[in-house]
Amino acid sequence: GNSVTQMEGPVTLSEEAFLTINCTYTATGYPSLFWYVQYPGEGLQLLLKATKADDKGSNKGFEATYRKETTSFHLEKGSVQVSDSAVYFCALTVGGSQGNLIFGKGTKLSVKP
Amino acid sequence: EAGVVQSPRYKIIEKKQPVAFWCNPISGHNTLYWYLQNLGQGPELLIRYENEEAVDDSQLPKDRFSAERLKGVDSTLKIQPAELGDSAVYLCASSTSGLVGNEQFFGPGTRLTVL
Repeated sequence: GNSVTQMEGPVTLSEEAFLTINCTYTATGYPSLFWYVQYPGEGLQLLLKATKADDKGSNKGFEATYRKETTSFHLEKGSVQVSDSAVYFCALTVGGSQGNLIFGKGTKLSVKP
Repeated sequence: EAGVVQSPRYKIIEKKQPVAFWCNPISGHNTLYWYLQNLGQGPELLIRYENEEAVDDSQLPKDRFSAERLKGVDSTLKIQPAELGDSAVYLCASSTSGLVGNEQFFGPGTRLTVL
């Protein structure tokens, strides 16, 4: 079946530290990959996406590269800010599910000043 | 442009009572999704609509859950009767189409507590 596994949190970093949140997937088809972010008290927002192998999605200083050979889509940011504190969800869609998102469990990030 | 609107934001009920959640998607979005998010978990799809047609309701527990999108715009999700295990956040999302890779826009969710 289709599934997403992401590193468990919480992750606590100091401001300006480097961030990596690991995400790996299993898919029966050829998935599109997403990172969604949920800030405290707000709804899920799309952070970035990649729709084919070797694509790099980027937004707000965050990046993730679609690695088909390792079935991974790790999220990175070179220098985190306190405002990046949120829960981050890795997700995928595959053709057979007609766009239905399959999410990982989420990783809570806390950035301390 | 207004985002996805959901109401109520919070609901507390006793078990065996009915409850309903309402969602108004972004104008022009034909595809509407209801997701269930348990504490510490990612959202899981309950039902997906293309206009007024439920095209994927395979994960909807039909013995107690029902949903409708009568005019292809706003939607209501109902639980009757509610059980303790239904305590969760119910998310609504919409997109211009259900195609793979298309962005889904999420509402703030309704947090349900069943006592």
